Amino acid sequence: GQNIDQPTEMTATEGAIVQINCTYQTSGFNGLFWYQQHAGEAPTFLSYNVLDGLEEKGRFSSFLSRSKGYSYLLLKELQMKDSASYLCAVGPYTGGFKTIFGAGTRLFVKA
Amino acid sequence: DAMVIQNPRYQVTQFGKPVTLSCSQTLNHNVMYWYQQKSSQAPKLLFHYYDKDFNNEADTPDNFQSRRPNTSFCFLDIRSPGLGDAAMYLCATSSGDRVSTDTQYFGPGTRLTVL
Repeated sequence: GQNIDQPTEMTATEGAIVQINCTYQTSGFNGLFWYQQHAGEAPTFLSYNVLDGLEEKGRFSSFLSRSKGYSYLLLKELQMKDSASYLCAVGPYTGGFKTIFGAGTRLFVKA
Repeated sequence: DAMVIQNPRYQVTQFGKPVTLSCSQTLNHNVMYWYQQKSSQAPKLLFHYYDKDFNNEADTPDNFQSRRPNTSFCFLDIRSPGLGDAAMYLCATSSGDRVSTDTQYFGPGTRLTVL
């Protein structure tokens, strides 16, 4: 079966660092995406990992371990505008274009 | 500068009254997707097109249909909306180039209310 797990909610303080974890069990794997989604808005692309290791992009970093079926998104120097849902997604599957999304982690950044 | 456009942003319909949601893109992408997203849930893929090839998900109800008359436009038709169909409908595109990451670009969504 296909399963993507991530915490439902997290709270962190402005200026701090937060790590959002994602574990996945899927019948195929062709990369892992992180998307940010503000309330009532569409998801926007943050990062993509297909090889093991850490990808850094400004205040955001994403890590992947394929053998463990595990990824995390690290947000540094948190800002109030980072309050959003963060969706972990796996795909697209080889030979197709289907991407499986997790339910998202709702991050609340407090002053 | 908008790349994936959805109209309308908010749609209200009556139970059982057909409704059509539209999506257009200026990215010239091969793949267009329709997702249904309910509050605090993951986007659920309904179907996608690779060019003109239609790919329906096995669990997408027959009540949902789609048309892609050309590269730029894609429509979602809900033939007889039920109360359970109230949701945000997201259109997305991707290049379909298997060499690239095939990142999906989402439109702003249409929030459907069924009365």
